[in-house]
Amino acid sequence: SQWGEENLQALSIQEGEDVTMNCSYKTYTTVVQWYRQKSGKGPAQLILIRSNEREKRSGRLRATLDTSSQSSSLSITGTLATDTAVYFCATDETGGYKVVFGSGTRLLVSP
Amino acid sequence: EAAVTQSPRNKVAVTGGKVTLSCNQTNNHNNMYWYRQDTGHGLRLIHYSYGAGSTEKGDIPDGYKASRPSQENFSLILELATPSQTSVYFCASGDRCNYAEQFFGPGTRLTVL
Repeated sequence: SQWGEENLQALSIQEGEDVTMNCSYKTYTTVVQWYRQKSGKGPAQLILIRSNEREKRSGRLRATLDTSSQSSSLSITGTLATDTAVYFCATDETGGYKVVFGSGTRLLVSP
Repeated sequence: EAAVTQSPRNKVAVTGGKVTLSCNQTNNHNNMYWYRQDTGHGLRLIHYSYGAGSTEKGDIPDGYKASRPSQENFSLILELATPSQTSVYFCASGDRCNYAEQFFGPGTRLTVL
């Protein structure tokens, strides 16, 4: 598998808390993407961070990438109940055509 | 309007029957993908396509065929459906230039009895 075991997890928090999700990968990648999948929907990209970037922000989201340890994280500040979803990280194995998804982190944010 | 649509949204098939899942995209993307999603496995790539007339095998192609008759349409075909193919199937499209991001359809829930 491309992914480390820490991808297989579920988190349950209260609205307003901050949360960080982590993933590690085994092979070289040019980008790491984070996707969110809400119940009954297809995944949607949240943020993309390239191998020459250490951090990327988008609103309440912050992604980090450490190529030396082959790991990435996604942080959400001030969570809302609407952030409840499964969050996937994904790497680009082939330089473009093939994205490999991790198993995901199930996040439950209670009001 | 939704840029990637899938039909049907739900399908019940019998073992040994033929199933065709259809996908249409209005993003004008060259690349299209078929995934299946099962609990504990995330999204697994079945087939993908670089453009009309091309199909490539993904990570789990056995038991599946794909067809890309046009830029907009990409089908997944199960010639002899088996219960192990019960899953949720997602189609996605991606731009050749900004290839990393994929845009997903709403999914098709397939049950093979």
